[in-house]
Amino acid sequence: GAGVSQSPRYKVAKRGQDVALRCDPISGHVSLFWYQQALGQGPEFLTYFQNEAQLDKSGLPSDRFFAERPEGSVSTLKIQRTQQEDSAVYLCASSLAIEGDGELFFGEGSRLTVL
Amino acid sequence: GENVEQHPSTLSVQEGDSAVIKCTYSDSASNYFPWYKQELGKRPQLIIDIRSNVGEKKDQRIAVTLNKTAKHFSLHITETQPEDSAVYFCAASSSGGSNYKLTFGKGTLLTVNP
Repeated sequence: GAGVSQSPRYKVAKRGQDVALRCDPISGHVSLFWYQQALGQGPEFLTYFQNEAQLDKSGLPSDRFFAERPEGSVSTLKIQRTQQEDSAVYLCASSLAIEGDGELFFGEGSRLTVL
Repeated sequence: GENVEQHPSTLSVQEGDSAVIKCTYSDSASNYFPWYKQELGKRPQLIIDIRSNVGEKKDQRIAVTLNKTAKHFSLHITETQPEDSAVYFCAASSSGGSNYKLTFGKGTLLTVNP
């Protein structure tokens, strides 16, 4: 498809389980972002990739969160030993721009519920 | 870092009325201000954006104004329609070190009553 694709759309995990969330950005988009959106809140920045390089991971809440984009295309956000406060929608977005003034194209998100 | 405040958190208007959503930002280096619309359970989508060298931008029923001195910007929707009902997010980013990073407001739930 032409848009940003995320999978799974819904994930229920028991506390302590590891999860992996996948993002397929728009082909050719250099920039890739992960955002976390809690219920009723705006998206909050987690991490940024320019091609395969992770240039900023300052928004990752803890060392349980890890993201990669090894070939500069598909990205995976991994959360180890999930906790209830990790429950949120995880949004992936890609952009043609390297500077911050390009349109972000968001995926539909992966809704994570930790029981 | 950047902090973006958005008001109101909810807004209810009658069809045909205008709606205004306001945002303030803290980083004077910010120079790009997009607005995203998010329908329930859907992805955020860009509806309009403005850069700091422009004070106002209009696209059909939607307009955005920017006041750099006061560090605030606003979204104006005229002749609202029920399909305008959604959550609207403002955002800001700056050129310089963190120029790739958008900081979002908490959102405004707009309800347009037929």
